[in-house]
Amino acid sequence: DAGVTQSPTHLIKTRGQQVTLRCSPKSGHDTVSWYQQALGQGPQFIFQYYEEEERQRGNFPDRFSGHQFPNYSSELNVNALLLGDSALYLCASSSNNFSNQPQHFGDGTRLSIL
Amino acid sequence: AQSVTQLGSHVSVSEGALVLLRCNYSSSVPPYLFWYVQYPNQGLQLLLKYTSAATLVKGINGFEAEFKKSETSFHLTKPSAHMSDAAEYFCAVSGGYQKVTFGTGTKLQVIP
Repeated sequence: DAGVTQSPTHLIKTRGQQVTLRCSPKSGHDTVSWYQQALGQGPQFIFQYYEEEERQRGNFPDRFSGHQFPNYSSELNVNALLLGDSALYLCASSSNNFSNQPQHFGDGTRLSIL
Repeated sequence: AQSVTQLGSHVSVSEGALVLLRCNYSSSVPPYLFWYVQYPNQGLQLLLKYTSAATLVKGINGFEAEFKKSETSFHLTKPSAHMSDAAEYFCAVSGGYQKVTFGTGTKLQVIP
């Protein structure tokens, strides 16, 4: 049973570019959340997708957008990249039917902005 | 709104000594509380969770935590530290719809 998988593992971009990160949730999970973890910090909630819609959003600008597909996989898009967007981006999945169950995390995508 | 505060960004213990990592929470609703561990270049692994059942929660790798409502605390302990416990530990709180708010983390160093 595969857990949460994220791609790519590492990515290098330059300022102003756009990036797309991908996430496949754990089998049986229908909810996907995205987090940004800057170096030396705890993960910060970006947004959560359920039933192909953004259900909750953290304090991130509109440059950060996402999508969820019918198979529950998800993408995180970041436009007009800034140096401060350099971070580990974590995807987490869970089941909406079991709201007290913890999220399962992938190993993340390390994004470096030059 | 929910938040957690982790006291001590770095903790050092000797191998075999007690591990105590502190976490205090703030929540307007009965919280779900978690401890996660993160090894270098990896994602987050769940150690244990509190979801309003028993106040003493046992997790993996010998870790446990006690929910104390009167103190709004959820400290993580392990009786005897092992070298493999060296990692970063995150306390987290969740409210509705599973949005999780993390603390700033505590790096645990285990000295041989």
